[in-house]
This record gives sequence, C-alpha cells and structure tokens, in this order.
Amino acid sequence: DAKTTQPNSMESNEEEPVHLPCNHSTISGTDYIHWYRQLPSQGPEYVIHGLTSNVNNRMASLAIAEDRKSSTLILHRATLRDAAVYYCILRDETGGGADGLTFGKGTHLIIQP
Amino acid sequence: NAGVTQTPKFQVLKTGQSMTLQCAQDMNHNSMYWYRQDPGMGLRLIYYSASEGTTDKGEVPNGYNVSRLNKREFSLRLESAAPSQTSVYFCASDQHGNSGNTIYFGEGSWLTVV
Repeated sequence: DAKTTQPNSMESNEEEPVHLPCNHSTISGTDYIHWYRQLPSQGPEYVIHGLTSNVNNRMASLAIAEDRKSSTLILHRATLRDAAVYYCILRDETGGGADGLTFGKGTHLIIQP
Repeated sequence: NAGVTQTPKFQVLKTGQSMTLQCAQDMNHNSMYWYRQDPGMGLRLIYYSASEGTTDKGEVPNGYNVSRLNKREFSLRLESAAPSQTSVYFCASDQHGNSGNTIYFGEGSWLTVV
C-alpha cells in the first residue's frame, strides 16, 4: 500500500471545525482513501472513505484534491469526544484489499474545552 | 450488536507460557485479521485470513500462530510468550471483495509478558 504523511498532532477548540490533512503523493488509481480514528483504550473505528469525489457522512467530510495526492478530513464541529488518533490509510482495492489496512502513526487530535 | 468480540481483555503471562486469544464476529464477514499495537505506534498486522480455510502472514508474524476455526472465529496463539510480545492485540473483520469496505475492530486484548 502507498504511504501517507500526517502531522503528528493538532490542537483545536471545542465546537470549532477541524481540518486534518493527509499527503499521499504516490497514490495509485485503485487506492481508496480511508480514515479511521482510535479513541483512548479502544480499537480503531471507521470514519469515512472515498476514491475521487468529496464525501460526507454523519461523522465527517472528506475533501480529496483533484490530483488525489492529498486529502483533508473535516470535522465540522469538534466535541471533546472527537479527541483521538486519526489515521489516513490508502487501501488498494485490486482483488478486494484482502490484506487489511496498513497503519502509520496518525495524527493525535487534542480538543480544548 | 456484538460486532467483533475478543477474549480475554487482560492477561499477564510469564515468559515461556502459552496462551490463545479468541476472536469471534457476528457480521458474516469472510476476512479476519489480528493486529498488535505497541505504545505510541500504529497497528501492525500479524496474520490475516481472507476466507474460511485460508491464513496468511502479515508484517510481524514471528512468534504467533493462527487458526481460522470457522467463518466466525479466528484465534491467535502464542506458543512461548516473550516480553517483546507485550502489547495490545486487536482482532478485526470485513467483507473482502467489496470495494471501499469497512473494517470493524474489537475492543482489544491487553497482554503483558513478565
């Protein structure tokens, strides 16, 4: 799987929007962009994923650059519960991506009250 | 909805002891995974099973064995535990073959080897 680059940590205030960047300059045409987050002492949980177009769901939005070499996870109104490590992961869906996800260190998001 | 269930949640072993981590999923997924996570690190894949009856090595398989008992269950065995295997272990599952599919994780098993 291609590599992603994320900032080690970011800090934001409660009830403000948060933009978490991810660079993936070596992305291939069959790579989906996945975002997972891991709350303290829990397993990772799915946030959102996309291929080429921007995506929205109840948790977040995913903005994908036109050349697909970067993406941004947007939390529209952060709460204290959003404090977690956020992982940006590329998954090659050729053959269905049977070998799981490759995790980096992610971005540690700190939310200030 | 139980999702992915792992047992035990906490375990302390002495060096050289053996143990098995159990994992079961109730989502009828065909693929299952075992990851480990060391402090301050991302998850690393130990073994995976793309479908019932198949298993494959991941990034860090040494010191571990796995069994895909049936479609629901995927166990991880430490034959002779070492302090380097002190870690948090996560089991996961998904429906291999679906583009953009979501992986579901268990709550983790905290293992300490002394």
